[in-house]
Amino acid sequence: DTAVSQTPKYLVTQMGNDKSIKCEQNLGHDTMYWYKQDSKKFLKIMFSYNNKELIINETVPNRFSPKSPDKAHLNLHINSLELGDSAVYFCASTLGGGNYGYTFGSGTRLTVV
Amino acid sequence: AQKITQTQPGMFVQEKEAVTLDCTYDTSDPSYGLFWYKQPSSGEMIFLIYQGSYDQQNATEGRYSLNFQKARKSANLVISASQLGDSAMYFCAMSAPNNAGKSTFGDGTTLTVKP
Repeated sequence: DTAVSQTPKYLVTQMGNDKSIKCEQNLGHDTMYWYKQDSKKFLKIMFSYNNKELIINETVPNRFSPKSPDKAHLNLHINSLELGDSAVYFCASTLGGGNYGYTFGSGTRLTVV
Repeated sequence: AQKITQTQPGMFVQEKEAVTLDCTYDTSDPSYGLFWYKQPSSGEMIFLIYQGSYDQQNATEGRYSLNFQKARKSANLVISASQLGDSAMYFCAMSAPNNAGKSTFGDGTTLTVKP
């Protein structure tokens, strides 16, 4: 029943590893996002997809690669993890131009050691 | 470019009283949306309320209302009859159709409700 489902909820990994976070929404939304929330709680957009098409790609290291196999799924793969990648990553979805507000996933707390 | 400013890092309110959380914004887009989200200590982000730039009336959702003053570019959140469960971080955000639906968030205000 979860509207935006994000897995895993917690991820602890060593520097240099590669990891993926998955996101799925069952709301029929056409736009999905990845946001990063740092230790100071600042939220910053990373990527956005509309109907599987990449429409926003902020200044993010190319170690981060999003993939959207269909409009209900948006995954985030991170290569060669660094200490500075430790953060909470939120998936969100919305309809149309974003004027309906986001529905967020529960977040993935990534800790790189 | 869009910018959201929340000048109150932390706020305290007595239970059952009303509280206003400040938010000012800056944008050159004629059409935009303003939002408030709540983030409890459990970490999830919860959408609270939305105000469109062309809406004539202030938005209300239960105990939440948005005091929209377009000329002053402010979108303050008013929570009436505060409850202990309102203790959380609150984020103001805006988006614009010209910006691919991207929302820009403020730095947040931590609200603590005292019993």
